[in-house]
Parts: sequence; C-alpha cells; structure tokens
Amino acid sequence: QKEVEQNSGPLSVPEGAIASLNCTYSDRGSQSFFWYRQYSGKSPELIMSIYSNGDKEDGRFTAQLNKASQYVSLLIRDSQPSDSATYLCASGSSNTGKLIFGQGTTLQVKP
Amino acid sequence: EPEVTQTPSHQVTQMGQEVILRCVPISNHLYFYWYRQILGQKVEFLVSFYNNEISEKSEIFDDQFSVERPDGSNFTLKIRSTKLEDSAMYFCASGLTDPNQPQHFGDGTRLSIL
Repeated sequence: QKEVEQNSGPLSVPEGAIASLNCTYSDRGSQSFFWYRQYSGKSPELIMSIYSNGDKEDGRFTAQLNKASQYVSLLIRDSQPSDSATYLCASGSSNTGKLIFGQGTTLQVKP
Repeated sequence: EPEVTQTPSHQVTQMGQEVILRCVPISNHLYFYWYRQILGQKVEFLVSFYNNEISEKSEIFDDQFSVERPDGSNFTLKIRSTKLEDSAMYFCASGLTDPNQPQHFGDGTRLSIL
C-alpha cells in the first residue's frame, strides 16, 4: 500500500517564526510532490509543487525534496496567523496523476 | 483566475437513492479527478479520467460509482445506490496537459446520506 505519512500535530509557532512541516512517502516511483493548504471545512488549495531534489522557493514558502530519503518538507518563513490551517502533503502518480495524500499537519500560528 | 466549479455545495439524500455530483473543470484542462474526504480523515483518491476514459480507479470506486463527461464542460460522479458510509466531502479536481502537473480543486460537495 503506497502511503504518505505526516505528523498530525498540532504544530504551534509564534507569529514571525519559521514553521517546518515534514512528510515521508513510500512509493519510490513518485515523481511529483505537492503541498496543499486546507482550512477547516474548505477544499485543498495548492501552495507548492516540487519535482527535483533540492529546494524550491516561492515567496515565504520553500519546499524541499530528497528522493533518496523519500522525504518532502515545507518551510514557512515569517509565519502569520492567517497561515493557521492543515497542510497536506501529496505524492503523484506519473501515469495517471493520482494523488496520495497524507493525513495533514495542523499548524497554529499564535499572535 | 479560472476555477473548478462544483454543484451542489450540499446534497442530502436518503440511503439507497442515486445521486449525481457535478463539476465544471477549468476550461483548458485535460485531466479530471474525483476525491473524497470523510470528516476528520485524509483526502482519498477515487478516480482519474483522461481522453474520455477512466485511467485509474481506487478500491473505493466500485460498481456503484460511475463518471461521465457528457459534454465539453461538465464532469459528473454518479453513485447509484448510496450507503451511509458514502457520507463525505467530494472534491473534483482538474489538471492541465500532463498528469504530473498540479491539480486544482473545486470547493467540494458535502454529501449527507440519511
């Protein structure tokens, strides 16, 4: 069974701090990885995609991928209370696009 | 910004009844998906659809489920005889021209089976 694992949290950080979210995946064949943000009762909203080993930065967000360790992470710099949400890590099937989601990590940013 | 549109936002149905959930994917997208999320649980893949046929389906997507793209804009999920355990949030998603590209999700339909 192909899986994506995340610590469910909650992860609590003060406003302005760096939040670090982590994820591991089991399918070595996965080539695409995504971070989605989900507010309570809402749909997943795409934050970042990453396909190659290393770092990818977009504004306050940095995604990191290590295929050898089957590890994906998301760093959120200068965390804001509006970043408080559940962050979903997903791995994608290169043939069909099927996404396998982790359970999600709940982030709380305290003012 | 283009978005995926889902209707209705909330559907209440008696057990055993048929239900159709509707989605309008982003207009130039070629890959279409349905996912569901039972309250408090992870988002689960149901089915992927490309070039007018199912490309992959999960174990959840049994004979009670079907998908259709009846015209150039709509993408539907039908559940023939609903069960209590079908109660969940159902999300439609679409992707551009490659299955590795990011998927964009609609707001979802909350399905409640009584």
